[in-house]
Amino acid sequence: EAQVTQNPRYLITVTGKKLTVTCSQNMNHEYMSWYRQDPGLGLRQIYYSMNVEVTDKGDVPEGYKVSRKEKRNFPLILESPSPNQTSLYFCASSRAWADTDTQYFGPGTRLTVL
Amino acid sequence: GQSLEQPSEVTAVEGAIVQINCTYQTSGFYGLSWYQQHDGGAPTFLSYNGLDGLEETGRFSSFLSRSDSYGYLLLQELQMKDSASYFCAVNGFQKLVFGTGTRLLVSP
Repeated sequence: EAQVTQNPRYLITVTGKKLTVTCSQNMNHEYMSWYRQDPGLGLRQIYYSMNVEVTDKGDVPEGYKVSRKEKRNFPLILESPSPNQTSLYFCASSRAWADTDTQYFGPGTRLTVL
Repeated sequence: GQSLEQPSEVTAVEGAIVQINCTYQTSGFYGLSWYQQHDGGAPTFLSYNGLDGLEETGRFSSFLSRSDSYGYLLLQELQMKDSASYFCAVNGFQKLVFGTGTRLLVSP
């Protein structure tokens, strides 16, 4: 089944404790992206990657890091989480950057930073 | 930069037709997409307009006017399962920028 998976689905952590949210897709997509969703603000892009070893900042990259060492995986790293990073996070992928019209989203990761 | 405006909430009854409007300001534009998101779920792709005009997919249609920087999503024969949030999104260079979403409430 074609899908985007994220882990963990739920996470409660404390300020300053490094964490990684994994994202994996099995569709051989080149383009991958991370979004955060907050009430009243919609989905905002954090980082994106057009292909392996190619990443770039989205609209809200502060406090986040990403890597793209393999085509299928695109982990989101919070080196020192803070309470304002409490949010719902989605990973998404599409065939190529020119096909950003059809992004496939993972199930989401709900993160709470205390 | 890019900004999108859409109504925060729309209500309708089963069987009715509803239109969700989206206006945008953008420095780079390839097309307008629409996504549906049920409570607790992930966004799912509904429709895309790269050119002016109407695109129809079953009960859903989407329209784009580039000259007016305007688009809409039309939902016909509303069903209770259509209760969800609907997001318009601008396809810009290498990225997708989402509006804040319209919550559609369908009542019996």
